[in-house]
Amino acid sequence: DVKVTQSSRYLVKRTGEKVFLECVQDMDHENMFWYRQDPGLGLRLIYFSYDVKMKEKGDIPEGYSVSREKKERFSLILESASTNQTSMYLCASSQSSGYNEQFFGPGTRLTVL
Amino acid sequence: AQKITQTQPGMFVQEKEAVTLDCTYDTSDPSYGLFWYKQPSSGEMIFLIYQGSYDQQNATEGRYSLNFQKARKSANLVISASQLGDSAMYFCAMRGLGNTPLVFGKGTRLSVIA
Repeated sequence: DVKVTQSSRYLVKRTGEKVFLECVQDMDHENMFWYRQDPGLGLRLIYFSYDVKMKEKGDIPEGYSVSREKKERFSLILESASTNQTSMYLCASSQSSGYNEQFFGPGTRLTVL
Repeated sequence: AQKITQTQPGMFVQEKEAVTLDCTYDTSDPSYGLFWYKQPSSGEMIFLIYQGSYDQQNATEGRYSLNFQKARKSANLVISASQLGDSAMYFCAMRGLGNTPLVFGKGTRLSVIA
C-alpha cells in the first residue's frame, strides 16, 4: 500500500524557533511537494522537488526552506517561526511520468505561539 | 500558468440525491490533467478521479463522474446517490503540460443531510 508519512500530526512551537517538518514516501517517487492549507485559501504550494538535491520555489516560499538529501525524504524548514505560519502543512509525492497523481501525507497542524 | 476556480464555498445535499460540484479552469497548455480530491474532517487528501484533456470520454469511478466540457473549460464532479460519508471538503486541481505540480482550487465543503 502506497504511503506518505509526516513526522507529526500536531506541533506547537514558539515564535522564533527553528522548525523541521519531515516527510517520507515509500513509493520511489521522483517528485515531492510541500503545501500549506488555510481556510478559504485552499492548498498553496510552498516548495517542490523533482529529484534528490533539487528544489523549486512554489507560490509562497518566503519564510521557508527545504532539503532533499535522499529520494524518499523531503524536509520543510521554518528558519524562524512566526505566528502567520500557523497552518496545516501537507506533503505529497508523485511519479514523474503518467498523469502524476499526487499522494498525500496525513498533514501536520502547526501552531506558532 | 494554471488557475482553478471553485465558486461554491459550501453545499448541502439530501442523502441518496445526486450533487454537482463546480470547477472551472484556465490554462494555455495544449495538454493538461484535471483531478478531484476529497478531504474528510480527519484531514487526509483522498484522490477521487482524473480526466486527461485529450480523453474522449468523461471519467467515472464508482459513484463519482467528471463532467468534462473542454470548450467551456469546466470539470464538474458529479456524486450520485450521496451518502453521509460523502460530507467533506472537495478540491478540484489541475496539472499543466509535462511534469508540473498540481494547482488547487479553494475547495467546496459538501454536507450530506439525512
